Amino acid sequence: DIQMTQSPSSLSASIGDTVTITCRASQDIGNSLNWYQQRPGKAPRLLMYAASTLQSGVPSRFTGSGSGTDFTLTISGLQPEDFATYSCQQSSTFPRSFGQGTKLEIK
Amino acid sequence: EVQLVESGGGLVNPGGSIRLSCAASGFTFTSHTMNWVRQSPGKGLEWVASVSHKSRYINYGDSIKGRFTISRDNAQNSLFLQMNSLRAEDTAVYYCAREGVRGVEKFLTNFYYMDAWGKGTTVTVSS
Repeated sequence: DIQMTQSPSSLSASIGDTVTITCRASQDIGNSLNWYQQRPGKAPRLLMYAASTLQSGVPSRFTGSGSGTDFTLTISGLQPEDFATYSCQQSSTFPRSFGQGTKLEIK
Repeated sequence: EVQLVESGGGLVNPGGSIRLSCAASGFTFTSHTMNWVRQSPGKGLEWVASVSHKSRYINYGDSIKGRFTISRDNAQNSLFLQMNSLRAEDTAVYYCAREGVRGVEKFLTNFYYMDAWGKGTTVTVSS
């Protein structure tokens, strides 16, 4: 099974900052990497698929990169609504697996 | 508007059973693989199971294999999760999620993702 590891587990930032979250797969998953955002008490929301393709309706301040085993999600110019938990997920093979999540908090 | 509405959650004793349902609307249900994903209190997301559009392909997570059964009724636009031999660690919010698939021009493969989610239903396993 493929393990997904995110870092950091949490981070604090201010409005307008740029932050980067890292996701590492335990084996090569090509570009089959998705990112989700989850606000407290809400369902997850798809941000990005295929590592770097923005889902419709997602602001362009979100960018994704990487392939193989190492991936990043960057949020530029943080907005108040961006403070949430972000999770990566591999869709290369079954069983699907998620990272443990990164909680982005306001400094 | 795409809608996924889960139901059937509740309090159940360890060793007991419960059946979750997910009612889908606003899209062609028969065209999509469907998933169950759970989230234990204060924890990350955990993929549970998936069923392809005609139920030909079914996959399960290791932690629930042999205890849970995913199924669907395309005539009723519904997804189900039968959960047996429940344990305390199965306590979670259970989400129904639609799988989308798309090819990206520069790659020679399709990409799969969960692009629509319900609000979840809570299962608590406790005596």
